[in-house]
Amino acid sequence: LAKTTQPISMDSYEGQEVNITCSHNNIATNDYITWYQQFPSQGPRFIIQGYKTKVTNEVASLFIPADRKSSTLSLPRVSLSDTAVYYCLVGPYQTGANNLFFGTGTRLTVIP
Amino acid sequence: ETGVTQTPRHLVMGMTNKKSLKCEQHLGHNAMYWYKQSAKKPLELMFVYSLEERVENNSVPSRFSPECPNSSHLFLHLHTLQPEDSALYLCASSPRGSGGTDTQYFGPGTRLTVL
Repeated sequence: LAKTTQPISMDSYEGQEVNITCSHNNIATNDYITWYQQFPSQGPRFIIQGYKTKVTNEVASLFIPADRKSSTLSLPRVSLSDTAVYYCLVGPYQTGANNLFFGTGTRLTVIP
Repeated sequence: ETGVTQTPRHLVMGMTNKKSLKCEQHLGHNAMYWYKQSAKKPLELMFVYSLEERVENNSVPSRFSPECPNSSHLFLHLHTLQPEDSALYLCASSPRGSGGTDTQYFGPGTRLTVL
């Protein structure tokens, strides 16, 4: 089971780029890396997913080194509305969810 | 609007009560999930249904009983709960039910308090 480790919390000023790193040392060959965002009293929301190298969408970028033992979520020019908990999730492409594991997440606070 | 709705949004119940949580997805997805989120703990996967068949039960106590009558509806029946069961219960759906690569769409959750 590929468990993940993330910093518990991070602070950033508005307008800065924020990088949140997730460690997943025992990631399996068929595991993908997915990041979710959660606001208070809401369910998590999908941000981005990747397998290797770099993935970019309109919200964020995901950097995955060659060994895939870690990944970095990059949020460009954060705003106050980006204050949330960010979860890194590692799991395989297979029916069933016995390998789905959400860690404790990283609580990002954006400061004016 | 995520397309996944949950009712009720808040629920207070005694330990001897029986209640049910309801989840409905309007996305045409094939898989649905129940999660429990306690304060300061990771999100815990409780049940997974794929095409209305239960594919995962992570050793959840029998006082929680899921029901999936069709691919759009998911229930969590509660009976004789304990105070430590107080938590945010989240429902999610995904297109294929293919585990870690399938994007999950979460509902807003039901905040449950057991007295």
